Amino acid sequence: AQSVTQPDIHITVSEGASLELRCNYSYGATPYLFWYVQSPGQGLQLLLKYFSGDTLVQGIKGFEAEFKRSQSSFNLRKPSVHWSDAAEYFCAVGAQAAGNKLTFGGGTRVLVKP
Amino acid sequence: GAVVSQHPSRVICKSGTSVKIECRSLDFQATTMFWYRQFPKQSLMLMATSNEGSKATYEQGVEKDKFLINHASLTLSTLTVTSAHPEDSSFYICSASDRFYEQYFGPGTRLTVT
Repeated sequence: AQSVTQPDIHITVSEGASLELRCNYSYGATPYLFWYVQSPGQGLQLLLKYFSGDTLVQGIKGFEAEFKRSQSSFNLRKPSVHWSDAAEYFCAVGAQAAGNKLTFGGGTRVLVKP
Repeated sequence: GAVVSQHPSRVICKSGTSVKIECRSLDFQATTMFWYRQFPKQSLMLMATSNEGSKATYEQGVEKDKFLINHASLTLSTLTVTSAHPEDSSFYICSASDRFYEQYFGPGTRLTVT
């Protein structure tokens, strides 16, 4: 079975500072990895995804993530945070063998200080 | 492209009544749709997976007689919460997939049972 851990429940960052959100997964084969963002009361917006190939993935809104197989990690980064980045971020793992189902991490809430 | 809508966005119903939530893929044909439930400040929990024209597959612990899912066409899936009770109050999110490993999420439906 696949699982996802987001170790940080909350992160507070100053506007303009860099941001890194951690994600560790457990799966026996190569997974498909996703990062989503959710604003309060809203659905999920896909930030970026990894299926194969280049392990550094660029996404929308200036986000990037790096797949590290040796560490079973897929951490999300942004060099300079904007106040509008305050939201809940979810890492998710899917796999062909799992019938296209996604397993989500517990989420990390990002607060941005002015 | 890849837009998914949900209707209604919010619904309040009395205990013991049933409520139907619609999920539509607006610009693509969704071979598979997924229904998730999200409690406040928590992650998404997959409830069931539905494929067009076949019965839904429910996750362990989800009551299939309470949460009726119908996927009658390639663009529409419905979730009916039968005999709703206050503990069914939650945020319900659907997603649709036209590929084997990517899901597009709807904006969610807030259900409140009084």
